[in-house]
Amino acid sequence: NAGVTQTPKFQVLKTGQSMTLQCAQDMNHNSMYWYRQDPGMGLRLIYYSASEGTTDKGEVPNGYNVSRLNKREFSLRLESAAPSQTSVYFCASRGGGNTIYFGEGSWLTVV
Amino acid sequence: QKEVEQDPGPLSVPEGAIVSLNCTYSNSAFQYFMWYRQYSRKGPELLMYTYSSGNKEDGRFTAQVDKSSKYISLFIRDSQPSDSATYLCAMSSNDYKLSFGAGTTVTVRA
Repeated sequence: NAGVTQTPKFQVLKTGQSMTLQCAQDMNHNSMYWYRQDPGMGLRLIYYSASEGTTDKGEVPNGYNVSRLNKREFSLRLESAAPSQTSVYFCASRGGGNTIYFGEGSWLTVV
Repeated sequence: QKEVEQDPGPLSVPEGAIVSLNCTYSNSAFQYFMWYRQYSRKGPELLMYTYSSGNKEDGRFTAQVDKSSKYISLFIRDSQPSDSATYLCAMSSNDYKLSFGAGTTVTVRA
């Protein structure tokens, strides 16, 4: 019972490099999300996808792009990483009653 | 002012004590209320879910929602060291987005 799986778990990038965080869910959920979590800031929504084929900006979308590849997969791309994007990133999917299920997190450091 | 306010703590209690956590919110449209538990270096896991006002009990955990006061609470009875974690409140209206509190860090001392 995998739930929400995201990769990689840890990554160090140099400023200006690009990378993609991968996420997949096996719960047949329509909606998927990308959050970042920073000390004292809580969880902030970067992008979400209400259903396959749609994506929308959240609170902090600048510097990120997303792709909803199919119903299972939702990727987050950093085109030109900046130190301000050092954070923990969580992918999530939405079940019944607006409950959200999270992956284990991806720790990203931009130097 | 943040949409959801949660005291970050930290909160330290002896084993067996009752842990009381709470959040206040400003958006009267919120109908779905959740509590998540997050262990260090792990993703948040759904602990309790409540729709609209009222109480919900699950083992040692009780969630309360008072929509008139815009206040939600989580109580942990007979706390254990394994309950040491960060607890996040979350809530939403009928759209797709949740609003989270900043989280309260709880330590239960053996």
